[in-house]
Amino acid sequence: KAGVTQTPRYLIKTRGQQVTLSCSPISGHRSVSWYQQTPGQGLQFLFEYFSETQRNKGNFPGRFSGRQFSNSRSEMNVSTLELGDSALYLCASSLTRTGTEYNEQFFGPGTRLTVL
Amino acid sequence: GESVGLHLPTLSVQEGDNSIINCAYSNSASDYFIWYKQESGKGPQFIIDIRSNMDKRQGQRVTVLLNKTVKHLSLQIAATQPGDSAVYFCAENIQRSGNTPLVFGKGTRLSVIA
Repeated sequence: KAGVTQTPRYLIKTRGQQVTLSCSPISGHRSVSWYQQTPGQGLQFLFEYFSETQRNKGNFPGRFSGRQFSNSRSEMNVSTLELGDSALYLCASSLTRTGTEYNEQFFGPGTRLTVL
Repeated sequence: GESVGLHLPTLSVQEGDNSIINCAYSNSASDYFIWYKQESGKGPQFIIDIRSNMDKRQGQRVTVLLNKTVKHLSLQIAATQPGDSAVYFCAENIQRSGNTPLVFGKGTRLSVIA
């Protein structure tokens, strides 16, 4: 069974631009969560989608948004990029929502975003 | 590979020795805990989990201990191997409320000396 895939793997943008990252979960998984990983803050939760609905949102500004499609694939968008948005963005999928049984999340390799 | 964390505490262990990685969690209401391993260039990988109604759980070469009194979690790796070199994260969650995301600790870098 294929794992979680994320595209692109690397991305370089400049301040003020916007970016869209894509995540394809493991087949059959309906929950997709997004995390930002930086050296200073570690792994921080961005949001979770389940059955095309955002179920949870972390403490990030409105510039960060996401969506999930009917096939469970998910995208996240960051508008008006800032230097501090440079990070590894990780996507994780699970069979069900977080906070329920069988919570194991399977992570993708991440997208490394560099903002210049 | 990816630079996971430049400011992480580091544990250096001789190959074959046992490793103990510690984690202090933040929320006394958390009832589910997970240890993840992250190798360079990869996303975190599930190692072992434990629920708050247990204080110890064993897997293959790994043991997780939970002390709810002091909100402390540890991961013990037996006979540490070079392939165990990675960053290890603990994560906590409140499962009984059914609607909380995982909260990750800062991580510890394990370096195995061959």
